[in-house]
Amino acid sequence: AQKVTQAQTEISVVEKEDVTLDCVYETRDTTYYLFWYKQPPSGELVFLIRRNSFDEQNEISGRYSWNFQKSTSSFNFTITASQVVDSAVYFCALLHGSSNTGKLIFGQGTTLQVKP
Amino acid sequence: DTGVSQDPRHKITKRGQNVTFRCDPISEHNRLYWYRQTLGQGPEFLTYFQNEAQLEKSRLLSDRFSAERPKGSFSTLEIQRTEQGDSAMYLCASSFPPVSGANVLTFGAGSRLTVL
Repeated sequence: AQKVTQAQTEISVVEKEDVTLDCVYETRDTTYYLFWYKQPPSGELVFLIRRNSFDEQNEISGRYSWNFQKSTSSFNFTITASQVVDSAVYFCALLHGSSNTGKLIFGQGTTLQVKP
Repeated sequence: DTGVSQDPRHKITKRGQNVTFRCDPISEHNRLYWYRQTLGQGPEFLTYFQNEAQLEKSRLLSDRFSAERPKGSFSTLEIQRTEQGDSAMYLCASSFPPVSGANVLTFGAGSRLTVL
């Protein structure tokens, strides 16, 4: 079975704090893809990153960084020096590699509130 | 191009009525997806099209639901004899087909359905 677990339902931080959003996934596939999406109050899911299972290099994009660890089946997302505009619901998602469908399996999401 | 458009953004209906949602994808994208998101949960896959062909349907898509993409451009999702359990956000997404690896889905802002 394939599954994505985001154990943190809600996180609240004060602006400029660093925050890490956890994502743990389950899959039997050796080829798969992991995604993070952001959903601001407007409702539109915004793509942040895609990783494939063969690339365990961590990635940094501005204040955002991602830590992919196959050994622990985790794909965590860190925001450095958080800002109020980072407030949103963040979703981690899994796509198995043999799927040609775009059928993403999403976690339940983590609501991040950044207070000024 | 302004991204994926969905209409209406909000719909309130009485139980037993039929409703229809429309999605206009990014014009260059030949794949179109429908997802459903209930409160506090991640999106769940419903169905997808490549051009006008509906290639996969989830078990979540009961026989009261029908999706079409008649000319391979916009799509409609109709729900007949709505039930209170149909209350959710219906998200549309579009993408190119995957060339290598996984395609990235671009989502619309969703159509929120409330069934009274």
